[in-house]
This record gives sequence, C-alpha cells and structure tokens, in this order.
Amino acid sequence: DAGVTQSPTHLIKTRGQQVTLRCSPKSGHDTVSWYQQALGQGPQFIFQYYEEEERQRGNFPDRFSGHQFPNYSSELNVNALLLGDSALYLCASSLAIQAGYGYTFGSGTRLTVV
Amino acid sequence: ILNVEQSPQSLHVQEGDSTNFTCSFPSSNFYALHWYRWETAKSPEALFVMTLNGDEKKKGRISATLNTKEGYSYLYIKGSQPEDSATYLCAPFNTDKLIFGTGTRLQVFP
Repeated sequence: DAGVTQSPTHLIKTRGQQVTLRCSPKSGHDTVSWYQQALGQGPQFIFQYYEEEERQRGNFPDRFSGHQFPNYSSELNVNALLLGDSALYLCASSLAIQAGYGYTFGSGTRLTVV
Repeated sequence: ILNVEQSPQSLHVQEGDSTNFTCSFPSSNFYALHWYRWETAKSPEALFVMTLNGDEKKKGRISATLNTKEGYSYLYIKGSQPEDSATYLCAPFNTDKLIFGTGTRLQVFP
C-alpha cells in the first residue's frame, strides 16, 4: 500500500516564476495538508484541503494556492516566487473522520529559488 | 498563535546512553499531541498520538508521557542506538491542524 507520494523531489526555479507541486495521498485518505519547512524551523502549516475545498489556511500570502482533485490528490501552486520561498514542502494526508489522528507524510519536495 | 517549544535543539550522545526531550505547548484547546521521528531524506514517521492527561505510550525502546494540564510531553529513548539518529518533532493537534515545534536533532555516536 503506497503511502503519500510527492513530486517532484527537487526543483530549482528563478525568482518571479511560478511552481506547482503535487501530492498523492495514502489510499483511503480524503484530506490533504501542506506544510513548508524553512531552514532551522519546524514545518509551518500552509493550508488543508477536503472535499476539493480549502478548509483552513495558515499565515501564508495569496501567492500560495492549492487544489484538490476528485481522486483526493492535491497541488500546491506558488506564484511570483521569492528567494524566501526556498524550503522543503511537505504534504500530509489523513482521514477527516479521524481528525487529529493518523497523519501520513510524504518525503517532500525541495524547492530552491535562485 | 500557538507556540510549541522543543528542547534541547540538538543532542549528541554515545551508543547505549539514555536520553529524553521536552515538548511544551499551550494547554488550552488541547486535543491531541503527536510525536514524529524524521530521518534525513525520508518522510516523518509517526511515533505516538496521545490525548489523555497522564497518557504514557511505548514503542520498543522509545516511550512518551503527556501532561495536558501543564502543557508538556516528554520523549524518552532508552539505550540509544546509531539508528535512532534523527530529528524528533512534536505537534499538538489544535483547531484541526498540526502545529509543529522546531524539533530536537539527535545524533548517536557508536
């Protein structure tokens, strides 16, 4: 049973460009959360998707947007990239009816903005 | 803003030593506390989810305790092994999301 799959694993982009990161949740999970881990920090909550809608959002600008598809997979889009967006982006899936339990993480996408 | 603090930030121990880390979090609106073990280039691996005050959980040589009234959790590793080297993250579950601390980086030397 595959866990959470993220693609790509690494990415280099130029300042001002746009990027799309992808996440396939664990089989049976219906909720996807995205986290950003900058150097020296713990993962910071970006937003969470359930039933194809953004259910809640952390303290991130509108340049960060997302989408969830009917098969529960998700995308994170970042527009107008800044150098400070360089980070590891983690996706976690869970089951809504088990809120608070059973989070499964992917191994992340390392984004470098130059 | 929920402030989660972990200490120490990093720890270097010899193989066979026992060690422990602390996670502190605001005790209001508490629902659950997660511990994760995160090896470099891998995904964070769930260790424990604890909900009740006084909860104690154990997995092999690793155990954890929870005090929801004062807002802290301890993670213990007995007889550390080199394969225990990783970053250990705690995350209270609050308002439908996990809020992570900065982690404790453990390095175990043979």
